[in-house]
Order: sequence, then C-alpha cells, then structure tokens
Amino acid sequence: AQSVTQLGSHVSVSEGALVLLRCNYSSSVPPYLFWYVQYPNQGLQLLLKYTSAATLVKGINGFEAEFKKSETSFHLTKPSAHMSDAAEYFCAVSESGAGSYQLTFGKGTKLSVIP
Amino acid sequence: DAGVIQSPRHEVTEMGQEVTLRCKPISGHNSLFWYRQTMMRGLELLIYFNNNVPIDDSGMPEDRFSAKMPNASFSTLKIQPSEPRDSAVYFCATQPDQETQYFGPGTRLLVL
Repeated sequence: AQSVTQLGSHVSVSEGALVLLRCNYSSSVPPYLFWYVQYPNQGLQLLLKYTSAATLVKGINGFEAEFKKSETSFHLTKPSAHMSDAAEYFCAVSESGAGSYQLTFGKGTKLSVIP
Repeated sequence: DAGVIQSPRHEVTEMGQEVTLRCKPISGHNSLFWYRQTMMRGLELLIYFNNNVPIDDSGMPEDRFSAKMPNASFSTLKIQPSEPRDSAVYFCATQPDQETQYFGPGTRLLVL
C-alpha cells in the first residue's frame, strides 16, 4: 500500500518569507502526486499535480513542487508567503484500481503566516 | 459548472437518530468518493463508486454506515443509528477517468 508522510503538522512563516512544506511518499510504481489546500470550513482544492511529465510542477497562487524520485519527495514551495496562504495543506499519492485513482492523503500541515 | 454539491452543510442530531448525507457529483465524472475528516484521524476514505457500482467499502467503519449511488447524479451516505463518535466533516469527491478528484464543501455533522 502506498503512504504519504508530511513532516510537521504545523508550520509558521513570516509574511514575505519562503514557504516549504515537506512531503515524502512510498510507492512501488511511479506515482501520481498531488497537493491540495483546505481553507477553514471549506473542501479541498487542488493546488498542483505531478503525473510523470516535468518534475517541477507549477500550481495556483504561486506554489510549485518538485518531484525527486531519488528522495521519494514532493515538497511544496512558495518564494514569498502571503497572509491569504494561511490554510491546511495536504499531500496525496494515487494508486490505480478498477478504473479509479484512489488518493492516499498525508495528515496535513497547517500553515500560519505571521504579519 | 456548480461543482460537487453536498447537503446539508451542517447537521446536528441526537444519538440514535438516522442521518442521511447527500452528494450530487459533477456531470460526467464516473467515480465518486466519500471521506470523513476528524482532528484525530485526518482524512479517511470510507467508500468509493465507479460507474455507480461500489468498488471498495473497506473504509466504512461499521454496519451502521451505508452508502448508495442509485444513479450517476446522486449518492447518499447514511448512518443509522448515529453515535457521538460519528461527529466529523464528511466530504464527497468526484473524479473523471484517471484524473484529479474534486471535492465538495463538506457536511459538518455533530451528534449529541
């Protein structure tokens, strides 16, 4: 079974500072990888996804993530944090089955942005 | 497109009562997933359907939980009888073939 580990359940950064949220996965086959964001009292929204094309993936709101097979990592970064980035971020890996792609989620990392 | 629609958005009920959560998927998406989110356990997959057929219900916690998808436009998740430990946010997500999952806004359930 595939799994996802997000290092740090809570990360705090100052406004304008670099955002780095860590995600490591385990998979026996090339995975599809996703980052979702959840704002308070809302559902999850897709930030970006890796599907075996370019290893550096750009997403919405200035976020990007780099797939590193040798490190089994898919860390999420943003050069300059904004107050509106405060949310919970989930990394997920997919596995195929019966025509659907189930997602296995990490525990999430809550990002706080300090003015 | 209105996205995935869930109802109700909030539900407060008493222990022992039946609870029914509803989901309308995005048109054309042939896979539907029900998740539960709690502080303690995070996001858990309960069950998923492909072309209205339940594929994997191994995440359903107990027999008190049941889910149906009678057609491509509608799914329900039922809890009978409900217990306080069922209090959580329940999400429905839908997916076109081998693509991203799209989440609804969730139903916040409180069982007293």
